[in-house]
Amino acid sequence: GDSVTQMEGPVTLSEEAFLTINCTYTATGYPSLFWYVQYPGEGLQLLLKATKADDKGSNKGFEATYRKETTSFHLEKGSVQVSDSAVYFCALSDGSGGSNYKLTFGKGTLLTVNP
Amino acid sequence: DSGVTQTPKHLITATGQRVTLRCSPRSGDLSVYWYQQSLDQGLQFLIHYYNGEERAKGNILERFSAQQFPDLHSELNLSSLELGDSALYFCASSVAPATGELFFGEGSRLTVL
Repeated sequence: GDSVTQMEGPVTLSEEAFLTINCTYTATGYPSLFWYVQYPGEGLQLLLKATKADDKGSNKGFEATYRKETTSFHLEKGSVQVSDSAVYFCALSDGSGGSNYKLTFGKGTLLTVNP
Repeated sequence: DSGVTQTPKHLITATGQRVTLRCSPRSGDLSVYWYQQSLDQGLQFLIHYYNGEERAKGNILERFSAQQFPDLHSELNLSSLELGDSALYFCASSVAPATGELFFGEGSRLTVL
């Protein structure tokens, strides 16, 4: 079945450092790929997405490119802030769309940014 | 605020007991999903309902059941609780047809003692 593997962390960075969180996937068909973020005490929220190969999703300074050849969707940010401290989840859709849609998540990566 | 409401936020109970978790989706969303989040298993998909009908099942135990009512709210019933059922249970909703964005509630934290 579909699966997502992401670096487990935790990741600890200083403010303004460069961030990479690796994510690879296994799926049949042509899934869409997502990064969700979970701030302390809150539910998950969508950070960015890409729906086809070579698409780049971006939001709030974060970027990820859908690489079909390497089955990867790595999350990057050029300069992290303390407010970026959260758990980041990589996810994929089953590609079927419509009313049978569901997401499969990776285990999450805890990011802590120190001032 | 995602617009998804889950109650209760916290629940402490004993082994062998039964609990019901409630979820109200965003206005207009027909799909409701339940996920279980634990430290060792991560975020596990349990079940998906669309407009009152079960559409997909994930790693949901037989002791667990769910339903979605005509007003679209959903309930997750957990019975014969075990220590290992302690987790954060999330409900999420989405528009239909889905675009990939799920809107999550803040979760219900279940502690089984």
